[in-house]
Amino acid sequence: DGGITQSPKYLFRKEGQNVTLSCEQNLNHDAMYWYRQDPGQGLRLIYYSQIVNDFQKGDIAEGYSVSREKKESFPLTVTSAQKNPTAFYLCASSMVPGPVYEQYFGPGTRLTVT
Amino acid sequence: AQTVTQSQPEMSVQEAETVTLSCTYDTSESDYYLFWYKQPPSRQMILVIRQEAYKQQNATENRFSVNFQKAAKSFSLKISDSQLGDAAMYFCAYRNNAGNMLTFGGGTRLMVKP
Repeated sequence: DGGITQSPKYLFRKEGQNVTLSCEQNLNHDAMYWYRQDPGQGLRLIYYSQIVNDFQKGDIAEGYSVSREKKESFPLTVTSAQKNPTAFYLCASSMVPGPVYEQYFGPGTRLTVT
Repeated sequence: AQTVTQSQPEMSVQEAETVTLSCTYDTSESDYYLFWYKQPPSRQMILVIRQEAYKQQNATENRFSVNFQKAAKSFSLKISDSQLGDAAMYFCAYRNNAGNMLTFGGGTRLMVKP
């Protein structure tokens, strides 16, 4: 089955540690996205990538980093510089960057930092 | 910057009845796209319906329809014959013509009473 996988579903880390969230898609989509969702709020864009080896900052990129070495993969690293990293993180992809094609979302990763 | 506002944090509807969720947005652009996403307890984001701003006709998908008022910058979602499975968070989202970023509203929690 085609889709987007995010692992793990729940992730716990100590404050001061970097942590990497995985996002893999087998939809052959060009564009991939990372969103953050806080309780009772909508999604906010962290980073997006239109092609391999290229990515752009979204609205809340500070304290995060990404890489796009393969078309299928877009991992997100939450660094120790992110002041409030506890949140729900959603990865998405779309066929091409552009408004015509919808974004498909993964199941998300709940990150808790204590 | 674009903003999306959902003024109803929570709504409830009796099963089989109709409910309307409100959304307003602010933009200076004339070409853009609007979406309604559903997020059930599983937290998987699911696209419900999409509206292109250049189209005057309101979009419809089975029991879901929108009332798009471009001049008023309003984009409401009507759910007819509500079902228990419709219970979820609903997010309104805006996407500009460049198409790379979705801006989400804060969400409306819909409860369906049997």
